[in-house]
Amino acid sequence: GDSVTQMEGPVTLSEEAFLTINCTYTATGYPSLFWYVQYPGEGLQLLLKATKADDKGSNKGFEATYRKETTSFHLEKGSVQVSDSAVYFCAHNAGNNRKLIWGLGTSLAVNP
Amino acid sequence: DTAVSQTPKYLVTQMGNDKSIKCEQNLGHDTMYWYKQDSKKFLKIMFSYNNKELIINETVPNRFSPKSPDKAHLNLHINSLELGDSAVYFCASSKSGGANVLTFGAGSRLTVL
Repeated sequence: GDSVTQMEGPVTLSEEAFLTINCTYTATGYPSLFWYVQYPGEGLQLLLKATKADDKGSNKGFEATYRKETTSFHLEKGSVQVSDSAVYFCAHNAGNNRKLIWGLGTSLAVNP
Repeated sequence: DTAVSQTPKYLVTQMGNDKSIKCEQNLGHDTMYWYKQDSKKFLKIMFSYNNKELIINETVPNRFSPKSPDKAHLNLHINSLELGDSAVYFCASSKSGGANVLTFGAGSRLTVL
C-alpha cells in the first residue's frame, strides 16, 4: 500500500552543520512529493514540493530531489540555523488529490 | 489576516463532556480537513469536506461529528470525551486540484482529564 518512511529522530546538530533527513515512499500511482515543517507550537506549513521525477523543490535553503528510481525525496540543507529547529514531515499524494500520505515526522534540534 | 483560524486554541475538560472546535478559512479554498496529532507528533487525517460534501471519513469513532455549513467553515463536535481524545486537532484547507498543498491552522489542544 501507499506509505512514507522517514528517518527517526530526534536529530541534533550544531549551527552551520549539514542536514539530511531521509524519506522514501511507496505509491501505486505517480505521486507528488512534499516536505512540510512544523515549528514549535504552530501548525504545519509547506516547505517545498516536487511534482514529477527529477524535479527539485527548494525553499529557505532547503532542497529535495524527486528520485523515482530510488523512490526517495531526501531533505537537505547546507548550513542549518537554530531557527530551523522544528519537526519535518515528508508526504505524498498517491497520485491523486484525495489525501496526503504522511511520514511520522523527524524532529530536528539545532544548537548554537 | 489569519488564513485558517481555529477556536478555541486550548480546551481542558472532563471525561464524558461534549466539546466543539470551529474552523474558518479565508483563502477561497473548497476543501477542508480535520487532522489529529498525538503526543508523538503522529498525524492522522480524520475527515475531509469538498464544497460542503464529506469526501474522506477515516476510521474515527462516531463520537466525532464534523459539520460544514459552507465551504469556508468546518466544525468538529466530539461527544462523550475520553482520555484518548487528548491531542492537538488541526484544521487545514486546500484548493481542489491543488496537488494537496495544504494550509494548516495553528491547532486546538484538547486535554481530557
